[in-house]
Amino acid sequence: EAQVTQNPRYLITVTGKKLTVTCSQNMNHEYMSWYRQDPGLGLRQIYYSMNVEVTDKGDVPEGYKVSRKEKRNFPLILESPSPNQTSLYFCASSLWGQGTAHEQYFGPGTRLTVT
Amino acid sequence: TQLLEQSPQFLSIQEGENLTVYCNSSSVFSSLQWYRQEPGEGPVLLVTVVTGGEVKKLKRLTFQFGDARKDSSLHITAAQPGDTGLYLCAGASYNFNKFYFGSGTKLNVKP
Repeated sequence: EAQVTQNPRYLITVTGKKLTVTCSQNMNHEYMSWYRQDPGLGLRQIYYSMNVEVTDKGDVPEGYKVSRKEKRNFPLILESPSPNQTSLYFCASSLWGQGTAHEQYFGPGTRLTVT
Repeated sequence: TQLLEQSPQFLSIQEGENLTVYCNSSSVFSSLQWYRQEPGEGPVLLVTVVTGGEVKKLKRLTFQFGDARKDSSLHITAAQPGDTGLYLCAGASYNFNKFYFGSGTKLNVKP
């Protein structure tokens, strides 16, 4: 089954404790992206990657890091989480290129609470 | 400040009514996508519109991309309870790398 998986689905942590949210896709997609969703703000793009070792900042990259060492995985790293990073996080993947926007397939989300 | 403004934010209607959701911006987008999100799940793509003035139909849903590629609308005819959900528009940057989502329209269709 074609899918995007995220782990963990729920996470409660304390300020300053480094954490990683994993994202994996099995569709051989070139493009992967991380979003956060907050009430009244829709989804905001954190980082995206067009292929292995190619990443770039989205709209709200501060406080986050990513890496793309393999095509299927795109982990999101919070080196020193703060309460304002409490949010619902989505990973997405899609084909890329050919001069068009492709359908993004979203994972089930990770609800993060930072106290 | 949202690059894409969606309206209305909330919509509660009776089954069988028609409705329109708007997605507006002062920026030009290379394409505009509409997604629908159910509680506890990620968004799912409904449609992508690419050409200014383009109209696409998906059963009872009609999507339109503005002539200047700055705005879009979603019209639902004879809404059904199964249409209930959060509708999100997303504009793609000129190189299709970045995506800007609207704040969403929460639709509730009552039987």
